[in-house]
Amino acid sequence: KAGVTQTPRYLIKTRGQQVTLSCSPISGHRSVSWYQQTPGQGLQFLFEYFSETQRNKGNFPGRFSGRQFSNSRSEMNVSTLELGDSALYLCASSPGVAKVNEKLFFGSGTQLSVL
Amino acid sequence: AQKITQTQPGMFVQEKEAVTLDCTYDTSDPSYGLFWYKQPSSGEMIFLIYQGSYDQQNATEGRYSLNFQKARKSANLVISASQLGDSAMYFCAMRPNFGNEKLTFGTGTRLTIIP
Repeated sequence: KAGVTQTPRYLIKTRGQQVTLSCSPISGHRSVSWYQQTPGQGLQFLFEYFSETQRNKGNFPGRFSGRQFSNSRSEMNVSTLELGDSALYLCASSPGVAKVNEKLFFGSGTQLSVL
Repeated sequence: AQKITQTQPGMFVQEKEAVTLDCTYDTSDPSYGLFWYKQPSSGEMIFLIYQGSYDQQNATEGRYSLNFQKARKSANLVISASQLGDSAMYFCAMRPNFGNEKLTFGTGTRLTIIP
């Protein structure tokens, strides 16, 4: 079974641009979560989608948005990029709604650099 | 809100020795789950072990065991017979046991195994 696939692996953008990151979950998984990882802030939760509906959202500005498609693939978009958006963006999937003991399966992430 | 504290930013351990990575947490929720993840340099977060707050026994998964002390709110990861491949970042994480909640991560510990 293929794991969580994130594309692209690396991305370089300039301030003010927008970017779209893609995540394909494990086959059969219907929940997708996104995390931002930086050396200073660690892992910060962005949002979670289940069956095309956003179920949970972290404390990020409206420039960060996401969506999920009917095949469970997900995209996240960051508009008007800032230098502080430079980070590793991790996507994780799980079979269903996150129960207390449900583990997340992560992709290798997209490393975004904003110049 | 939940908070996870990992006080060891970095650790160096001789190969084949056992190592304990510390994790304390703060929550007012009576029921919750605790996770440990490993992040090698490739970036992918790999699930290691899970402990439920009402589990009677400490969790074990191969060379990994979790030293769970509920009253002290600590969930330390013990790796027995360390190997060079264990060199990575290790994250403790928690999720409360009511629906729609995200996984909250600690800041991580960088473990380096010395040959």
